[in-house]
Amino acid sequence: DAGVTQSPTHLIKTRGQQVTLRCSPKSGHDTVSWYQQALGQGPQFIFQYYEEEERQRGNFPDRFSGHQFPNYSSELNVNALLLGDSALYLCASSSQGALYNEQFFGPGTRLTVL
Amino acid sequence: GQNIDQPTEMTATEGAIVQINCTYQTSGFNGLFWYQQHAGEAPTFLSYNVLDGLEEKGRFSSFLSRSKGYSYLLLKELQMKDSASYLCAGRGNDYKLSFGAGTTVTVRA
Repeated sequence: DAGVTQSPTHLIKTRGQQVTLRCSPKSGHDTVSWYQQALGQGPQFIFQYYEEEERQRGNFPDRFSGHQFPNYSSELNVNALLLGDSALYLCASSSQGALYNEQFFGPGTRLTVL
Repeated sequence: GQNIDQPTEMTATEGAIVQINCTYQTSGFNGLFWYQQHAGEAPTFLSYNVLDGLEEKGRFSSFLSRSKGYSYLLLKELQMKDSASYLCAGRGNDYKLSFGAGTTVTVRA
């Protein structure tokens, strides 16, 4: 059973560019959440997708947008990249029907903005 | 939203016990999670508490007191592989997960 997968593993961009990160949830999961984790910090919630709609959103600007597809996979898009967007981007999946509804994390995408 | 506080660093000896405290302030509460994160890796789920009391899972236990807004993670019989960051996360009624900055535990021989 494959866990949560993310691509790419690493990415280097320059300021002003746009980036798309991808996530495939764990088998049987229907909900995908995205987090930004700066070095030495805990993950910060960006948004959550369920049934192809953004259900919850954290304190991130509109430059951060996303999408969920019918197969539950998801994309995170960031426009007009800033140096401060450099971080590890984590995708987590969960199931609405699970006992704890705990989130399972993917390995992350390390984004560097130069 | 939620505010999660936990110590930055802790050091302990192999075979010892370490307790990582976490305090939280919430507007609505729907559970307290602990995750383990090794350097350069994704967080992995350790425990979940939604009712007061102690939940034991092998060498790891987690405790919750909702009236005090307090939780702790207890790591027993420490092993070198337990060196990692431990993240406390609270979930509100909106099902958002708010993480603390993490406690880096270093296990020394």
